[in-house]
Order: sequence, then C-alpha cells, then structure tokens
Amino acid sequence: NAGVTQTPKFQVLKTGQSMTLQCAQDMNHEYMSWYRQDPGMGLRLIHYSVGAGITDQGEVPNGYNVSRSTTEDFPLRLLSAAPSQTSVYFCASKQIYMNTEAFFGQGTRLTVV
Amino acid sequence: DAKTTQPNSMESNEEEPVHLPCNHSTISGTDYIHWYRQLPSQGPEYVIHGLTSNVNNRMASLAIAEDRKSSTLILHRATLRDAAVYYCILRDVQGGSEKLVFGKGTKLTVNP
Repeated sequence: NAGVTQTPKFQVLKTGQSMTLQCAQDMNHEYMSWYRQDPGMGLRLIHYSVGAGITDQGEVPNGYNVSRSTTEDFPLRLLSAAPSQTSVYFCASKQIYMNTEAFFGQGTRLTVV
Repeated sequence: DAKTTQPNSMESNEEEPVHLPCNHSTISGTDYIHWYRQLPSQGPEYVIHGLTSNVNNRMASLAIAEDRKSSTLILHRATLRDAAVYYCILRDVQGGSEKLVFGKGTKLTVNP
C-alpha cells in the first residue's frame, strides 16, 4: 500500500519555466489537496478537490493550476515559475466528509532561481 | 475559516508529560478538532481528533474544554522521537465542500 506518492522529490527551475508536480494516491480517497510550506511557517492550502472533476481554491492559489480527471491523481501545475514559489509542497488525501485522518506525501522541494 | 491559536514553541524533558494547548474560540458546534504533527523533513501525520469528549489513543490524549473553545493535546511521556511541530486544526465542512486549514503550529523540543 503506497499511500500518497509525490514526484519529483526535488526540483530546480529557472524563473519563467513551467512544470507539474505529481500526486497520486491508491486509497480511493475523494478528497485531495495541495499545500506549500515555507521555512519556519506552517502549511498553507493552495488548491483542493472533493472528487474527480471538482476543484477549488485554498488560501494561496495564485500562480498554480490544478485539475482532477481521476480519483487517484491530483497534479499541481506551475505555469510560469517565480522565485516566490520556492517552497516545499505537500499533497494530502482523505475520505471526504468523514472524520478520518488525512494522509500526506513526503513532499517536493522546489527551488526557483 | 475557523481559526486556531497555538504557542509558537514549547520545551519538555524526556519521559515527562507534555500539554500542548490550542485555542479555537470561533469553533462551531459541528467542527471536529484534529491534531497532526510534522517530524523534521517529513509530511504531517495524524495524531488524534475529537468533538466534545476527551479522547485517547496509542499516541496521545485529547482533552477538550466543556465550552469547546480550547483543547489540549497530552503526550503522557515525551520521547526524543516526539520532537516535532504539532498542529491543531478544525475541519471546515460547509457548502458541500471540506477544507483542512493549518496554522503555524507549536514546535516541541524534547530535552534528553
């Protein structure tokens, strides 16, 4: 049981480049979400999804796009990377509308130079 | 969004109990209180959750105030492995949607 898998673990981008952070879960969870964590800070919610075809914005959505074509996958796209997007990104999933635990991936450390 | 307030940091000695406080004065009647922790260089992991009654599991206990405006996570005997950032969050369910919004958490240092 893999849980929540994020790829890549590390990435360096140049300003203006685009990339997609991948997140996959094998627990058939309806709810998936993306967070960013800056040094010394807590987690800030970027986007979330309550099921395939449904996405919504969190606290800090600007500069990021998401889509949810399948239950398993929830990719996060940076269309034009900026140094301010240097951060560690975490993906999470859980059963929707249930007081069950959320499972987090190991994170993707992104540096934009 | 429902908000929580936690101290930035706390310190404890190994094998002593630790009480981590959380204030959530704007909690609604249906909000569950969840606790997660984040070990260094890892993603957060679930610790415990509750609604009104005190809760116990193998990792910790959760004491919830009678008015539900505050709660306390209790680690009965801290170990070095418990050094982490602990997050108290309220599960926000409304309008057919659900959000887990984290704050900055409390960084727990455990001294040997």
